[in-house]
Amino acid sequence: GDSVTQMEGPVTLSEEAFLTINCTYTATGYPSLFWYVQYPGEGLQLLLKATKADDKGSNKGFEATYRKETTSFHLEKGSVQVSDSAVYFCALSLYNDYKLSFGAGTTVTVRA
Amino acid sequence: GAGVSQSPSNKVTEKGKDVELRCDPISGHTALYWYRQSLGQGLEFLIYFQGNSAPDKSGLPSDRFSAERTGGSVSTLTIQRTQQEDSAVYLCASSIPSSGNTIYFGEGSWLTVV
Repeated sequence: GDSVTQMEGPVTLSEEAFLTINCTYTATGYPSLFWYVQYPGEGLQLLLKATKADDKGSNKGFEATYRKETTSFHLEKGSVQVSDSAVYFCALSLYNDYKLSFGAGTTVTVRA
Repeated sequence: GAGVSQSPSNKVTEKGKDVELRCDPISGHTALYWYRQSLGQGLEFLIYFQGNSAPDKSGLPSDRFSAERTGGSVSTLTIQRTQQEDSAVYLCASSIPSSGNTIYFGEGSWLTVV
């Protein structure tokens, strides 16, 4: 079945460090790929998305590139801040199936 | 309202009782989803409504769980004879179905079964 596997956490970083969260997927078709973020005490929010191969999604300094050849959608940020502390979820959705399939989530803590 | 609204935000119930969780989607969004997020777990799909089509109930964990959507808008998730393992955050989301659809989530209803 269609699924997403993401890097297990928790991840603890210092401010201004480089962040990478790995995400790979398995899908029978051509999915759209998403990163959602859940800040402490808040609901899930869409962080970025990419709908086809080689697309790059970006938002708030975060980037992820849809790599069909490696079936990956790794999330990166060059210089994290304390406010980036959150749980990050990778997800996919097939064109004809609007359900999102989520990874298990990666907890990121950024220390000052 | 501007976003997906859920109520109650917190619910503590005794084992064996029935609970109802409500979701008010974003106006104009024809697709509505329920997900469950258990402690330390990822998000588990429960049910999906799209317009007047029959709902996709493939994620409901047991027949104690049911959901309805009245008038294509507000949805209610009902859990009958609650068990402790039902304790979780129940998330509602809505969207306008399209390629690369963006799904917007509510803040969730925290359910604790004691």
